[in-house]
Amino acid sequence: EVQVLESGGGLVQPGGSLRLSCAASGFTFSNYAMSWVRQAPGKGLEWVSTITGSSGATYGDSVKGRFTISRDNSKNTLYLQMSSLRAEDTAVYYCAKGGGVSVMAKYYFDYWGQGALVTVSS
Amino acid sequence: SSELTQDPAVSVALGQTVRITCQGDSLRSYYANWYQQKPGQAPVLVIYDETNRPSGIPDRFSGSSSGNTASLTITGAQAEDEADYYCNSRDRSDNLLVFGGGTKLTVL
Repeated sequence: EVQVLESGGGLVQPGGSLRLSCAASGFTFSNYAMSWVRQAPGKGLEWVSTITGSSGATYGDSVKGRFTISRDNSKNTLYLQMSSLRAEDTAVYYCAKGGGVSVMAKYYFDYWGQGALVTVSS
Repeated sequence: SSELTQDPAVSVALGQTVRITCQGDSLRSYYANWYQQKPGQAPVLVIYDETNRPSGIPDRFSGSSSGNTASLTITGAQAEDEADYYCNSRDRSDNLLVFGGGTKLTVL
């Protein structure tokens, strides 16, 4: 059974940093792109970042230069390092498995975690 | 970057057919995918690569596309289909992914 489980959410002050983790199981982790998608309170889904199986990364315009996605295929774990956080980064962050090794070929998300809440506030 | 436009809200009578649409220039080149999200829950993929249904998704859900518009059709809507529905695809000019703004489906 495919499972992805986020951790690391919490309250952080504006300008601060936080790292999210996503533990994956039930599939060959290195064979799939993985992504972060966020949802601000009461709002829609926003794609944040994707990393291919071989660690090529892409970012949405709103987080480029502030967030870094990475993965450890030996630990079946995905990460999102967030820095220079702003109030508008407040959201539930979902970890999502891609449909293939390259998200540009298979750009859907077939399994999602339950999300980690990140609150940026003083 | 590309944009995908969805109607904010749609309603359907129980047992009737409803179509939820997603418009965007990138849909002329790339497939749409569709997700269902119920309150307090993570999204669930219901259609991928425009017309394909993941295992476990009822066959009343179907996808289609014409020109710059993709559609999710629910044939014989059930009460449990009441949810928010989002489309996603690729941006045409950059290596970016995009979501539509979402459609809230009410089953009357």
